[in-house]
Amino acid sequence: ETGVTQSPTHLIKTRGQQVTLRCSSQSGHNTVSWYQQALGQGPQFIFQYYREEENGRGNFPPRFSGLQFPNYSSELNVNALELDDSALYLCASSLGGRGREQYFGPGTRLTVT
Amino acid sequence: DAKTTQPPSMDCAEGRAANLPCNHSTISGNEYVYWYRQIHSQGPQYIIHGLKNNETNEMASLIITEDRKSSTLILPHATLRDTAVYYCIVREMDSNYQLIWGAGTKLIIKP
Repeated sequence: ETGVTQSPTHLIKTRGQQVTLRCSSQSGHNTVSWYQQALGQGPQFIFQYYREEENGRGNFPPRFSGLQFPNYSSELNVNALELDDSALYLCASSLGGRGREQYFGPGTRLTVT
Repeated sequence: DAKTTQPPSMDCAEGRAANLPCNHSTISGNEYVYWYRQIHSQGPQYIIHGLKNNETNEMASLIITEDRKSSTLILPHATLRDTAVYYCIVREMDSNYQLIWGAGTKLIIKP
């Protein structure tokens, strides 16, 4: 158990809809990173938030957006869902904006139909 | 692109040491080697990381070659619960973010 929680566990949405995924970081951690993991592949970095500011972004379109709150919990929002957005979405928390080991939550399984 | 190369799969007998290799021939001087594992349908779990020296913790040992172009993760007494995909990642310690993941090694522990 890492102390990182994510909700919901599973979610089914229709193409074109919007979705919000949530993550609570481990106590004392001020950095949250989000990853997308398609079936059979390694996780792909979406973005990272450090003290409520976006701190880096991977190769994902602007319809993937996020927030981090003063308590360091975080949201991932995806607009205009596409079938290829079906994946496991992982959040990871760490201490400090740089170079610390990341601790992952269990993930949210998103299915887009 | 991932900076590491790992075999796609390996088997190991329960109770034996599992040795997982990783090649990172283009690693630079300020990049660390990290290992994570992912048990089916769960979030990845941090195992260990190192720069130059060999490292050991309660989960595993990490052996890095002197030229730093390859490393080996050692699980000293593998159990069935160690069946997972193991990822080797290189990353700058001062990097402000992402881990770049390859496809990993599927390790199957057999009774």
